[in-house]
Amino acid sequence: EVQLVESGGGLVQRGGSLRLSCSASGFTFSTYAMHWVRQAPGKGLEYVSVISSNGDTYYADSVKGRFTISRDNSKNTLYLQMSSLRPEDTAVYYCVIVPGIAARWFDPWGQGTLVTVSS
Amino acid sequence: QSALTQPASVSGSPGQSITISCTGTSSDVGGYNHVSWYQHHPGKAPKLMIYDVSNRPAGVSNRFSGSKSGNTASLTISGLQAEDEADYFCSSYTDRRLYVFGTGTKVTVL
Repeated sequence: EVQLVESGGGLVQRGGSLRLSCSASGFTFSTYAMHWVRQAPGKGLEYVSVISSNGDTYYADSVKGRFTISRDNSKNTLYLQMSSLRPEDTAVYYCVIVPGIAARWFDPWGQGTLVTVSS
Repeated sequence: QSALTQPASVSGSPGQSITISCTGTSSDVGGYNHVSWYQHHPGKAPKLMIYDVSNRPAGVSNRFSGSKSGNTASLTISGLQAEDEADYFCSSYTDRRLYVFGTGTKVTVL
C-alpha cells in the first residue's frame, strides 16, 4: 500500500525557515516524480513544486527563489526547504505522487502538514 | 498558470443530483483528457474520485460521474447523500507538463 506521511510543519515568524519532509513507502520511490501541493485556509489547492526521478525541478512563481525541493532516494524521503517565509505561505502542505507513467492524477494523498507563518 | 474556475458552492437535498463545473482553457482542460476530481473533508486527506475525465477508481461510488465539453469539465453527484458534503477540487494536466487545480467547490447537503 502506498503511503505518504508529511511532517515538519509548525509555527514560524515572517522571514523564517522550515523544512518539510515526506516519508514514502509502498512503491519504488526513486522511480517516481514527487510533488508538493498546498492549501491555504479557505482557499483552493495550489501546485507548488515537483522533482522528477532524475532530479529536475519546477517551482510555482509564488515560491520560486525561496523554496527548494529535494529528495533522498536512500531514505525514501522528499523534502521542501522553505525560507523567507511569508504569511501567505500559511497552508497545509501535501506531498503527492502521480501513480504511474501514464497517469495524470494524484493518488493517494497524505494528511498534510500545517505551516503557519506569523506576521 | 491560472487556477481552474469552479463555483464556490453548490447545494442540494438528499437524493437530488448536483453538478460542479470546472472551467479552464485549451492549454489544460480543453487540451487533454486528464481532468481529475478530489473530495476533501476538512482535516482528512483528499480523496481521488474521478480520473481522466470520467473514470472512477475502485471503491468510489457510481453516484459520482465525470464529463467534459470543450474547456469545461463537470462532476455530477447523483442520489446526493449527507456523507457527500465536502469540498471538491478539479485538476488538469497542462501543456507545460505540469498540473493546475480548481478553485474548489463546497457541496452542502440541505
